[in-house]
Amino acid sequence: DTEVTQTPKHLVMGMTNKKSLKCEQHMGHRAMYWYKQKAKKPPELMFVYSYEKLSINESVPSRFSPECPNSSLLNLHLHALQPEDSALYLCASSLRSYNEQFFGPGTRLTVL
Amino acid sequence: GEDVEQSLFLSVREGDSSVINCTYTDSSSTYLYWYKQEPGAGLQLLTYIFSNMDMKQDQRLTVLLNKKDKHLSLRIADTQTGDSAIYFCAESTRDSNYQLIWGAGTKLIIKP
Repeated sequence: DTEVTQTPKHLVMGMTNKKSLKCEQHMGHRAMYWYKQKAKKPPELMFVYSYEKLSINESVPSRFSPECPNSSLLNLHLHALQPEDSALYLCASSLRSYNEQFFGPGTRLTVL
Repeated sequence: GEDVEQSLFLSVREGDSSVINCTYTDSSSTYLYWYKQEPGAGLQLLTYIFSNMDMKQDQRLTVLLNKKDKHLSLRIADTQTGDSAIYFCAESTRDSNYQLIWGAGTKLIIKP
């Protein structure tokens, strides 16, 4: 298995909802990442997990809560989001934090 | 600080070669990457080059690195309509803790 998978592909939520994004890889990678990407812009790093421990949090608002239950799985829990949080959320993984990153197809999030 | 720059658009005729350029400022760069993003999709790692290399070739793709001028280029031979996408240049450096520093992306437009 040589890919990063993300579910759901699309998500529409209201500002009072709680939802979760899921990311999975079975390549034995020990670093996993969440990025946010607005249209026609490069991705912005949100969180980095290395060996299942949060190593980087790029000053992301607390309405985004990451979780890494095991070395293959990464979740992003969403609560009380704002319309400006609408974006493509990308997950990536790499063998170690200094290796090349492989991206999933993303979850297109719309906050109403 | 670290900075990566790319021109925003490149238009080429189908069958011609495309050359996408990127400049970077951090001399401690370790790896330089090219990612491709098609509309509505995630980022695909195309190729990368270690900073002690000058050139890397992979089928239709040729990466050239000029360390003196801090200039990176991606040449796509025999450009096809399927090459139409946004191409992001990114660097990872010791100073950035190996996190990716992204260019703004170059949109490659193919003319028939």
